[in-house]
Amino acid sequence: QVQLVQSGAEVKKPGASVKVSCKASGYTFSSYYLHWVRQAPGQGLEWMGVIDPSGDSTIYAQKFQGRVTMTRDTSTSTVYMELNSLRSEDTAVYYCARGVVRGLIANWFDPWGQGTLLTVSS
Amino acid sequence: DIQLTQSPSFLSASVGDRVTITCRASQGISTDLAWYQQKPGKAPKLLIYAASTLQSAVPSRFSGSGSGTEFTLTIGSLQPEDFATYYCHHFNNFPLTFGGGTKVEIK
Repeated sequence: QVQLVQSGAEVKKPGASVKVSCKASGYTFSSYYLHWVRQAPGQGLEWMGVIDPSGDSTIYAQKFQGRVTMTRDTSTSTVYMELNSLRSEDTAVYYCARGVVRGLIANWFDPWGQGTLLTVSS
Repeated sequence: DIQLTQSPSFLSASVGDRVTITCRASQGISTDLAWYQQKPGKAPKLLIYAASTLQSAVPSRFSGSGSGTEFTLTIGSLQPEDFATYYCHHFNNFPLTFGGGTKVEIK
């Protein structure tokens, strides 16, 4: 079955960087865009950006431009989300999610990864 | 950016009740809207896409309607497992955005 498995929880200090992974299985990795969404504690969902696993092109939400980098490794069917210059407001659960329609970049999401909790604290 | 406004943000209901949640977009998005259900500590789960198409394996008591700027999610007869938070999500253009969520609690 289609599955996204994310890396484990992270604790970082302000100013540091974090790199979260999302390993895909059960489908052709290069055929579906992968998105990143985050959720601060007790808050709603916030879209961060999307990567095309076939060509490595990306679109980032303006809020994260300059601080986020999404990459992929086709040999392991894994995408990565790196966030720099961390601050306490970045404390959140980070999800990867697959676009449902093959080749459609603006898309709805299914499935989602299980989430990775990032805690930023001094 | 397209803003999605959900209402209510919180509702209290009983098992068996019919529940309706509204999502209003700040500009027209055709039917480029999805609904998700999220339970505490879990990832969101897709319920409805293209405004009214039920995702596979989702119970038929869930339904969606609307186009343009106004959309609704209806739960025909609330079940114990439906107590959760619901989010709308537009995919009309970038940036993709979500509504603020509607938490459905037991009365």
